[in-house]
Amino acid sequence: AQTVTQSQPEMSVQEAETVTLSCTYDTSESDYYLFWYKQPPSRQMILVIRQEAYKQQNATENRFSVNFQKAAKSFSLKISDSQLGDAAMYFCAYAGNNRKLIWGLGTSLAVNP
Amino acid sequence: DGGITQSPKYLFRKEGQNVTLSCEQNLNHDAMYWYRQDPGQGLRLIYYSQIVNDFQKGDIAEGYSVSREKKESFPLTVTSAQKNPTAFYLCASSGQGIYNEQFFGPGTRLTVL
Repeated sequence: AQTVTQSQPEMSVQEAETVTLSCTYDTSESDYYLFWYKQPPSRQMILVIRQEAYKQQNATENRFSVNFQKAAKSFSLKISDSQLGDAAMYFCAYAGNNRKLIWGLGTSLAVNP
Repeated sequence: DGGITQSPKYLFRKEGQNVTLSCEQNLNHDAMYWYRQDPGQGLRLIYYSQIVNDFQKGDIAEGYSVSREKKESFPLTVTSAQKNPTAFYLCASSGQGIYNEQFFGPGTRLTVL
């Protein structure tokens, strides 16, 4: 069975600095997608970025980018120029052939002014 | 505007009562999902439906029931058989294709008194 591990329960970053959130996963599938979701204090779950496993190029969305290492089964999220509004829980998720998302336990990110 | 609505935002019930949480989407998505979120446990899948009039159990289906009579609607009933129903419940939907990302509603906080 697939698993997703986020090894950092809590992280903090200074405003305008860069932070990297870690995610590793385990799977025997060759085709899959990986996602980072953000859940702010409002608890609305928002998609941040998505990576297709067959694409070697790392996905980028404005200040958010990923470092996807398929062989190492690693999928980290880098947030550049951190803003106060980036403070949230961040969840890493895996989607395989059965369309069900497998979720990590989340990383709580604090942004210090 | 397209999106997913969940109602009510907060729900209180007495022990032994069944309660139904509403989830509606106007995104024309085929698949819909129900998750339960508890502190420190991430998201756990309760039920999902990939097409009208069909649904499957997720990882924690005991004490819950669903129906999918319309494409737009996927209500979740929390029955008295659910031993610990106090939690935050999230509904999501996704479109065609195996790897389409899931879009989430704002959630319902259920508290059993």
